[in-house]
Amino acid sequence: NAGVTQTPKFRVLKTGQSMTLLCAQDMNHEYMYWYRQDPGMGLRLIHYSVGEGTTAKGEVPDGYNVSRLKKQNFLLGLESAAPSQTSVYFCASRRGVGNQPQHFGDGTRLSIL
Amino acid sequence: AQSVTQLDSHVSVSEGTPVLLRCNYSSSYSPSLFWYVQHPNKGLQLLLKYTSAATLVKGINGFEAEFKKSETSFHLTKPSAHMSDAAEYFCVVPGGYNKLIFGAGTRLAVHP
Repeated sequence: NAGVTQTPKFRVLKTGQSMTLLCAQDMNHEYMYWYRQDPGMGLRLIHYSVGEGTTAKGEVPDGYNVSRLKKQNFLLGLESAAPSQTSVYFCASRRGVGNQPQHFGDGTRLSIL
Repeated sequence: AQSVTQLDSHVSVSEGTPVLLRCNYSSSYSPSLFWYVQHPNKGLQLLLKYTSAATLVKGINGFEAEFKKSETSFHLTKPSAHMSDAAEYFCVVPGGYNKLIFGAGTRLAVHP
């Protein structure tokens, strides 16, 4: 019963490098989300998806892209990493009916030098 | 628009004493509300949720919260703190279609 799995757990990048964060859920949830968490700011929504093949912008989408080619996977890409993107990234998923709570992964700690 | 305010950024208690983490919400209607807990280097785990069925909501690990519409509050309590309760706690309200609005968090420290 894995729930929401994020890979990698840690990564250090140089400014300008690109990378992709992977989120996988095994609960057949329709909705998936990417957040970033910074000290004193709670979680801020980057992008989200309401189903396979659909994505939408959240609160802080600039500098990120996402894709949802399969229902169980939601990818977050950084095309050209910047130090301001140093953060902890969380993926979440939930059922698409009603005000259901979101289920979170354990996070990816990303440092941009 | 919906919003939540967590009134304390840090709370420190002794083991065995009560815990009170305060949350006020702003909403034009009676909202759903959640409390999540985040232990170090972990993701967020749902503690409890309010969905208007009952104003006193019981969650996991002995936590409960009471929805008070007149005070626009949803404070989280526990009668007796345990060392394992040390974590960060987030009060959360759905912010419209597909979105959650998070409070800034309250870090709970529990001392022996």
